[in-house]
Amino acid sequence: EDKVVQSPLSLVVHEGDTVTLNCSYEVTNFRSLLWYKQEKKAPTFLFMLTSSGIEKKSGRLSSILDKKELFSILNITATQTGDSAIYLCAVGGGTSYGKLTFGQGTILTVHP
Amino acid sequence: NAGVTQTPKFRILKIGQSMTLQCTQDMNHNYMYWYRQDPGMGLKLIYYSVGAGITDKGEVPNGYNVSRSTTEDFPLRLELAAPSQTSVYFCASTPTDYGYTFGSGTRLTVV
Repeated sequence: EDKVVQSPLSLVVHEGDTVTLNCSYEVTNFRSLLWYKQEKKAPTFLFMLTSSGIEKKSGRLSSILDKKELFSILNITATQTGDSAIYLCAVGGGTSYGKLTFGQGTILTVHP
Repeated sequence: NAGVTQTPKFRILKIGQSMTLQCTQDMNHNYMYWYRQDPGMGLKLIYYSVGAGITDKGEVPNGYNVSRSTTEDFPLRLELAAPSQTSVYFCASTPTDYGYTFGSGTRLTVV
């Protein structure tokens, strides 16, 4: 059975701090790993990673994948209150058809 | 461009009642999915479809049914609602693999 585990489950920081969110996975025939941000409603796409060691970056957010050790990290630098959200990691693999296995999420709270 | 539209946004059901959650996409995507999200949990796949007339079970299909008569529509049917089905339901679609567009969700409470 495919499994995705995120840590920590929750994190409270102050504005300006840097955070690192972790995602480890066990999946048959790995295809890609995705990060989503979820605020009040539906998840919104952040990154899709398919190759080891290649950093994806968007503003203050960056992510990297290690396919040998089966994990990914999501870094957020200079956090802002608007970064408060649930961050979801999801992995696609196996017979796919786009099916994703999601981790339980990390709840990030950024205080002013 | 509407994307993925889910209705209703909120619903309260009594135990044993039935209902259909509607999902429509206007992007001509082949793949469509239904997920549920419980508090403190990630999303769990209920059913998915790779095209009109083709559906298959996901991780947690019990108590649900789906149909896909057109490319655009992928309704989720709850028969004999149970409190364990209290959750937030998300529909998603993608043209190939993984580029999900999510609907805004349906918050369902079964009492």
